[in-house]
Amino acid sequence: DAKTTQPTSMDCAEGRAANLPCNHSTISGNEYVYWYRQIHSQGPQYIIHGLKNNETNEMASLIITEDRKSSTLILPHATLRDTAVYYCIGAGGTSYGKLTFGQGTILTVHP
Amino acid sequence: EAGVTQSPTHLIKTRGQQATLRCSPISGHTSVYWYQQALGLGLQFLLWYDEGEERNRGNFPPRFSGRQFPNYSSELNVNALELEDSALYLCASILVYTGELFFGEGSRLTVL
Repeated sequence: DAKTTQPTSMDCAEGRAANLPCNHSTISGNEYVYWYRQIHSQGPQYIIHGLKNNETNEMASLIITEDRKSSTLILPHATLRDTAVYYCIGAGGTSYGKLTFGQGTILTVHP
Repeated sequence: EAGVTQSPTHLIKTRGQQATLRCSPISGHTSVYWYQQALGLGLQFLLWYDEGEERNRGNFPPRFSGRQFPNYSSELNVNALELEDSALYLCASILVYTGELFFGEGSRLTVL
C-alpha cells in the first residue's frame, strides 16, 4: 500500500482557494488516490478520488501529477466549515485490505 | 438510506474489564473496517472483515478481536482493558465499486 506524506498543518483565508499537497511516490499503478476529511472527532468523510486524470466534484478538485507521485486537493472557495484534518491515502487491489491513514493535514480556515 | 451506525456512543470502563463495540454497515456493504484514533492522533488500522471472515489486522495485540455476523454487522471486543486503549473507535464500510469508505460517528471508549 502506498505511503503518503502530507504537511502537518496549513492555513487559508476564508473565500480563498486551499491547496493541500500529498506525496505518494510509492503508489502502484492500480492504486487510486483518495481524500477524506475529519471534522473534530467526527467520522471521516469522503471527498474525492482519482487514478491519473484530474477529477472535480461538488466539494473539491483533485490534481494528480503525470508521474502520479503527488497530488493536490483544491477547495476552490474555502469556508470556516472546511476547517478539518485532511487525509490522502492510496488504495487499490489488495491494498483495500489494509487501508492505512497517515497523520493528515490540519487545515485551518481563518475569517 | 441509513449510514454506518455505531453503538454505544460513549463507554466508560475500568482497567482489566472488557469492552464490546458494535457496528452496522450500510445496507448492501459486506466489508467492515475498524480503526482506533487516540486523542490527537491519526487513524490506526485495527481489523478488516469481509463476508464474515477476518481478512486482515493491524499491529494490535490479540486482546483486540472481533467478528462479523451473517447480516454483515460487526463487533469489536477489547479484553483486559488498559489505560492507553482510551480512544475513539471508528467503523467503516466500503462501496466496492468505487472504494469509497463510509464511516460511522464512532464509539468513544474511556478506560479509568
